[in-house]
Amino acid sequence: KQEVTQIPAALSVPEGENLVLNCSFTDSAIYNLQWFRQDPGKGLTSLLLIQSSQREQTSGRLNASLDKSSGRSTLYIAASQPGDSATYLCAVLNTGNQFYFGTGTSLTVIP
Amino acid sequence: DAGITQSPRHKVTETGTPVTLRCHQTENHRYMYWYRQDPGHGLRLIHYSYGVKDTDKGEVSDGYSVSRSKTEDFLLTLESATSSQTSVYFCAIGSEQRGAVADTQYFGPGTRLTVL
Repeated sequence: KQEVTQIPAALSVPEGENLVLNCSFTDSAIYNLQWFRQDPGKGLTSLLLIQSSQREQTSGRLNASLDKSSGRSTLYIAASQPGDSATYLCAVLNTGNQFYFGTGTSLTVIP
Repeated sequence: DAGITQSPRHKVTETGTPVTLRCHQTENHRYMYWYRQDPGHGLRLIHYSYGVKDTDKGEVSDGYSVSRSKTEDFLLTLESATSSQTSVYFCAIGSEQRGAVADTQYFGPGTRLTVL
C-alpha cells in the first residue's frame, strides 16, 4: 500500500521568503504526482501536476520537482505572500487508478 | 473551475439513520471519487467509479455504498450512520488525458457530516 508523507506538518515564514515543502512516497510505480492547495473549510484546488516521466513543472511562483526513483517531490514557493497561507497536499496516482494523499503541510506567511 | 457540486453541504443526523450524499458534475468525466477527510489522516478514498454502474472500493469502504446510474451523478450512502463516520466528505472527478487512466483531479466543495 502506498504511503505518502509530508514534512513539515506546519510551517510559519515571514513574507517574502522562499520556501520548500516536501512530499515522499513509498512506492515509486506512480503515474503522476499532484500538488493541491486547501483553504480552511474549502475544497482542494489543483496547483501542479507532474507526470511520472517529467522532472518538474512550474506555474508562476510555484515550482514542483519529482524524483520518482527516490520517492520524493518538492514544492518550491518563491517570494511568499500572506495569500499563500493554506494547507498544501500532495497526492500520487498509482496503478489501479487510486490516488493517495499526504496529510498536508499547513503554511502560514506572516506579513 | 470544474463544474462539481455536492449536496447537502452540511448535515447532522443520528446514529443508525441512513444518509445519502450526492455529487453532480457537468464535465462529462468518466472517473468520480468519494473521499473522507479527517484530522491526522488526510484524505482517504472511500469508493470510486470509472463509468456508469462501474464502481470499486477504496481503502475505507466499510459502511459505505455507492451508485452511479448516470454519468453526472455519483451517490454515497451510509446505510446506518455511526459516530465514526462524522467527517468532511469530498467528491472529485478525474479528467482522462491519457486514455484509461484518470489524471488530474478536481474537487467539489465538500459536505460536513455530523453523526450524533
